[in-house]
Amino acid sequence: NAGVTQTPKFRVLKTGQSMTLLCAQDMNHEYMYWYRQDPGMGLRLIHYSVGEGTTAKGEVPDGYNVSRLKKQNFLLGLESAAPSQTSVYFCASSYGGYQPQHFGDGTRLSIL
Amino acid sequence: KNEVEQSPQNLTAQEGEFITINCSYSVGISALHWLQQHPGGGIVSLFMLSSGKKKHGRLIATINIQEKHSSLHITASHPRDSAVYICAVGSQGNLIFGKGTKLSVKP
Repeated sequence: NAGVTQTPKFRVLKTGQSMTLLCAQDMNHEYMYWYRQDPGMGLRLIHYSVGEGTTAKGEVPDGYNVSRLKKQNFLLGLESAAPSQTSVYFCASSYGGYQPQHFGDGTRLSIL
Repeated sequence: KNEVEQSPQNLTAQEGEFITINCSYSVGISALHWLQQHPGGGIVSLFMLSSGKKKHGRLIATINIQEKHSSLHITASHPRDSAVYICAVGSQGNLIFGKGTKLSVKP
């Protein structure tokens, strides 16, 4: 029962480097989401997707890009990492927009 | 003013106590979610509700749409209930999250 799997779990980057976070779900969910969680703040939505080939901006999309080429995968890219992007990133998925969300274990990203 | 306010921010209880965590919101919503974040960081969905009351084991969630308020109750609390409880509201999956309530249950 894999559910939602995030790769990698930890990563340290230097300012200006690029990287991609991978989220994979095996529940045939239509909706997928990327959040960031910072100390003292609630989870904030970065981007989301309502189906294969679709993406939409959330509350804090600047500095991030996403792609949903396959239904089971949702990729989050940082083109030029900045220290302000140091955070814990969570991916989630749901069957529909009015269904409970299933979360991955998170990726802890530090940008120096 | 935050769109989703939770109270209290921190809560310490003795094992066996009845616990209430509150969530107030200021936006129109289709559904309200209660989530649990374990000390290790994992997040689990507890409830999604748009009206009335739901119960799962020792957990009860209620919502009053007119008052824009929800409560999460834990009966007969146990140390394993220690976690951060998060309220989130929204529609079509586009959720706004509260900052969470950190619960610590002492044996």
